[in-house]
Amino acid sequence: DVKVTQSSRYLVKRTGEKVFLECVQDMDHENMFWYRQDPGLGLRLIYFSYDVKMKEKGDIPEGYSVSREKKERFSLILESASTNQTSMYLCASRGAGMNTEAFFGQGTRLTVV
Amino acid sequence: LAKTTQPISMDSYEGQEVNITCSHNNIATNDYITWYQQFPSQGPRFIIQGYKTKVTNEVASLFIPADRKSSTLSLPRVSLSDTAVYYCLVGANSGNTPLVFGKGTRLSVIA
Repeated sequence: DVKVTQSSRYLVKRTGEKVFLECVQDMDHENMFWYRQDPGLGLRLIYFSYDVKMKEKGDIPEGYSVSREKKERFSLILESASTNQTSMYLCASRGAGMNTEAFFGQGTRLTVV
Repeated sequence: LAKTTQPISMDSYEGQEVNITCSHNNIATNDYITWYQQFPSQGPRFIIQGYKTKVTNEVASLFIPADRKSSTLSLPRVSLSDTAVYYCLVGANSGNTPLVFGKGTRLSVIA
């Protein structure tokens, strides 16, 4: 059974903290993605990576960075967490072939206080 | 990537067939149409994909007219467990292209 695993289901952090959200996939997928989801706004793409050490900005990269040192792991970093980064964060992975489906993790609900 | 438009929400009674239409006027020749389903507190999951005419699987059917400027996801005899948000995506046919989700259609199934 294919799997995308996010390190935490719920997380509470303080304003100004550096926050790491980890995502691991076991499907040998080339592509990995980070989204955030807020009520009424749908899923918005933060960053994606199509290969190890490669990254591309999505629609809302401000305040975030990412790291992909190994193919199976894609980390989202909040350099200095702020309350407006309170959200549900979703990681996904996808193979490099044509018309491949994406697989999502269960999500991390981050609250910044 | 082609922009999509779909209704924000729909309500249905159990046992009815539900049709959710997505408009994508700027669809490109190579674009496929893909639908994802998202249950509360979970990540989206793929349900169906098509290029033209009709595609059917164990979950849903996808109808695509000849001009491909719209598509309709059909869910037969919905149950309460079909309550979810349904997203229509167009394009992204290469795995290296990011999936761009809109706001989706929130389907509420009522007993």
